[in-house]
Amino acid sequence: KNEVEQSPQNLTAQEGEFITINCSYSVGISALHWLQQHPGGGIVSLFMLSSGKKKHGRLIATINIQEKHSSLHITASHPRDSAVYICAVSPWGTSGSRLTFGEGTQLTVNP
Amino acid sequence: EAQVTQNPRYLITVTGKKLTVTCSQNMNHEYMSWYRQDPGLGLRQIYYSMNVEVTDKGDVPEGYKVSRKEKRNFPLILESPSPNQTSLYFCASSGRTATGELFFGEGSRLTVL
Repeated sequence: KNEVEQSPQNLTAQEGEFITINCSYSVGISALHWLQQHPGGGIVSLFMLSSGKKKHGRLIATINIQEKHSSLHITASHPRDSAVYICAVSPWGTSGSRLTFGEGTQLTVNP
Repeated sequence: EAQVTQNPRYLITVTGKKLTVTCSQNMNHEYMSWYRQDPGLGLRQIYYSMNVEVTDKGDVPEGYKVSRKEKRNFPLILESPSPNQTSLYFCASSGRTATGELFFGEGSRLTVL
C-alpha cells in the first residue's frame, strides 16, 4: 500500500461543476502539497498545507491532520483546469527533506 | 522572474555514455531536489540537497550522482546510463526545506537506448 493514496484516479466533469479530489496518507507529516501538472508536463505548486484550509481563486484545499486526509476542491470548473493533480507529503522525522507523492488524479473538464 | 531552469529539456542517448542534466535556480533557495516520473509509478525522489555541500539519497538513488558546489546549481549525473533510466526528470527548489512552496523546473525527458 502506498503511503499516499489519491482518489479518484480519473475524473471527467462538465464545465461549471464542483470538483473534489481526495488524498489520504498513512504517516505523520509536517506538510502536504497540492501540485498541478499540465499536458505539456510542467509542474506548478498550488498549495502547501500544514493545517486548516487555504483558498486561491476557485481552488480550495483542506487538511485534517487527525484523519490523515486532504481534499482539493475546484469551484465552477473550466476546461483550462484539465490537468493531473498530485498530492505530496513531507513525512515527520525527515527534517522536511523528503517528499512522497501520490500517483495523481487526471481531471478532464469538458465544455 | 523566479525560476528553476533545467537543461537539456530533451535528450536521446545510448547505454553507457555519461551525461549530466543541469539545474539552476535564481531564488537563493537552500533546498533542491531531483525527481523522476514514470507511468504508473508517479514521481519519486532521487537525491536532495539541504545546502551547499550537503546532499543525501532519496528513494531511488541507484545509478545517479549529484553535487552541490554552489547554492544555485544542482546537477544530476548519470555516469553510465541504462535503459531503465529512461524517464521524465524534474528538479525542484524551495526556501529551506520541502515544507515550503516548491518551484519546479520544466522537466527533462531522457531516453536511453
